[in-house]
Amino acid sequence: GAVVSQHPSRVICKSGTSVKIECRSLDFQATTMFWYRQFPKKSLMLMATSNEGSKATYEQGVEKDKFLINHASLTLSTLTVTSAHPEDSSFYICSALQGPYGYTFGSGTRLTVV
Amino acid sequence: KQEVTQIPAALSVPEGENLVLNCSFTDSAIYNLQWFRQDPGKGLTSLLLIQSSQREQTSGRLNASLDKSSGRSTLYIAASQPGDSATYLCAAVGQGGSEKLVFGKGMKLTVNP
Repeated sequence: GAVVSQHPSRVICKSGTSVKIECRSLDFQATTMFWYRQFPKKSLMLMATSNEGSKATYEQGVEKDKFLINHASLTLSTLTVTSAHPEDSSFYICSALQGPYGYTFGSGTRLTVV
Repeated sequence: KQEVTQIPAALSVPEGENLVLNCSFTDSAIYNLQWFRQDPGKGLTSLLLIQSSQREQTSGRLNASLDKSSGRSTLYIAASQPGDSATYLCAAVGQGGSEKLVFGKGMKLTVNP
């Protein structure tokens, strides 16, 4: 089946630094990928839709200058949290749409900003 | 605007029971509906995908049904096992061209040995 690989699974960074999270579709091409954020014991919150070769579409209330998304190829999308602060600590998950076969999710990244 | 609801938010059952998880959605014009499982601290695992033209899908002990007219989907788990303990989420995709998944808040299932 379709596999989406997400790295790193855990990252701890200092306040003010930037962190990059990668999301790769391993056995299919994904023209569209999605980035979610999940707070403890809450459901997923869609942050942005990433389209290969074009600018990402951000959901209302999501700061596009803080959460930079790049989808430079059909198999790779990256989310960079810039100038991270403790309130950015969260669980970030990506997903890719595989045509009519539905959505496949990465394993998530636990970001802790200290 | 599509809204997806899952009730109850949590369920605790003894091992071996047959379970029905409910999911309702407000806009019947969906493209498909997908059930996921999430283990603590992990990503989502796709369980079943039902296209709008289908009424049900089966995989092993899992069976998902879709009734667009009533805005409901159910996930049936046969002979539940402790390993089924997880949070189950349903999500719908609208027909309006948007590819966004609209999630329910999930149902935390605990199967006790």
